[in-house]
Amino acid sequence: GAVVSQHPSWVICKSGTSVKIECRSLDFQATTMFWYRQFPKQSLMLMATSNEGSKATYEQGVEKDKFLINHASLTLSTLTVTSAHPEDSSFYICSARASGTSYEQYFGPGTRLTVT
Amino acid sequence: QKEVEQNSGPLSVPEGAIASLNCTYSDRVSQSFFWYRQYSGKSPELIMSIYSNGDKEDGRFTAQLNKASQYVSLLIRDSQPSDSATYLCAITEGGSYIPTFGRGTSLIVHP
Repeated sequence: GAVVSQHPSWVICKSGTSVKIECRSLDFQATTMFWYRQFPKQSLMLMATSNEGSKATYEQGVEKDKFLINHASLTLSTLTVTSAHPEDSSFYICSARASGTSYEQYFGPGTRLTVT
Repeated sequence: QKEVEQNSGPLSVPEGAIASLNCTYSDRVSQSFFWYRQYSGKSPELIMSIYSNGDKEDGRFTAQLNKASQYVSLLIRDSQPSDSATYLCAITEGGSYIPTFGRGTSLIVHP
């Protein structure tokens, strides 16, 4: 149980284009989903928290117009990196918290984004 | 602001030994504590969660929580080379579902 998928697992795009990453909870309903970014050899950095049907809450320093998050259903959240630049190249990981009082998060396998 | 501190390591232990990973935190209202394992190039995987003082055992893993001293630790018995990874400590405070992660401790188990 508690499986989270991400698609795509890796993507290469050209500078200036947009990329959409999907995060799905496969066997549970996710009240809350989180989006993280991780640069090589560095710790996880929380970008935003999204609750189903609500606008995402972004962490300080994260541009909401650049990283568009949509949590349309209890099993799907998407992150769109708009007008990507090489400095956006990173490992993007989503996680999901099940409905109810659970505090446990389950991570997706991550998406490696390379912007050329 | 909550702080979660972990020694970055690497912690090197021989195969079969007990690996002890520690995490301290600054926020006294922290309520939920988690250990994640992250292999190089992969996403984190939940190993253990602990919510009350004392020990919690799951197979070769034991989480220990001491709220008075504000630390949580993870013991790995009979360490295997496949346990070599970065171990992340995460903490949430009461009423919040948003965790604060430590930077992680790199564990190397050598044959």
